[in-house]
Amino acid sequence: GAVVSQHPSRVICKSGTSVKIECRSLDFQATTMFWYRQFPKKSLMLMATSNEGSKATYEQGVEKDKFLINHASLTLSTLTVTSAHPEDSSFYICSVYPAGEYNEQFFGPGTRLTVL
Amino acid sequence: DAKTTQPPSMDCAEGRAANLPCNHSTISGNEYVYWYRQIHSQGPQYIIHGLKNNETNEMASLIITEDRKSSTLILPHATLRDTAVYYCIVRVGNSGYALNFGKGTSLLVTP
Repeated sequence: GAVVSQHPSRVICKSGTSVKIECRSLDFQATTMFWYRQFPKKSLMLMATSNEGSKATYEQGVEKDKFLINHASLTLSTLTVTSAHPEDSSFYICSVYPAGEYNEQFFGPGTRLTVL
Repeated sequence: DAKTTQPPSMDCAEGRAANLPCNHSTISGNEYVYWYRQIHSQGPQYIIHGLKNNETNEMASLIITEDRKSSTLILPHATLRDTAVYYCIVRVGNSGYALNFGKGTSLLVTP
């Protein structure tokens, strides 16, 4: 299966700062990547779909100006949480969908964000 | 995507088979049944998927009823490392769309 990495795995920041999370597909090119958020004891919620070379598509209720997504290459998508607040503390997970031979999506290991 | 219903939690003794049910009564003819699991504080992991035939791989078996309204994921010999939340997801295969995760079943494998 495909390998997806995320960096950092864990980050603690002060309220009001911005945090960038990277998602990389290591062994294939992905035109589409997805960003999910997961609060404690809850299921994964889709935040946005990241498309290489175009603007991301955000789910209803997700502020596009707060969660900036950049999909600059076929192997890298970044999620920037701007002006983070304690309520943004969550587990952020990316996934990639390698169209063609695969039917499944592959997920990164997740990034634990804690905003103080 | 069709809605799925799973029990919130299950227990299984180590070494025994774990049978996780999923109801998907509104499944469409072109929708597949996918199973993923999420071990605590990790990203979800693909397990198996199927359309109408039973499927088996190195991780598990998937049994889909003839009317396709329900399915069962079978872990033949559960280990402590199989403790995780298991998600049954129904969607059109190879569609390129994101997965919609429900609440899943929290499986606890006990010694």
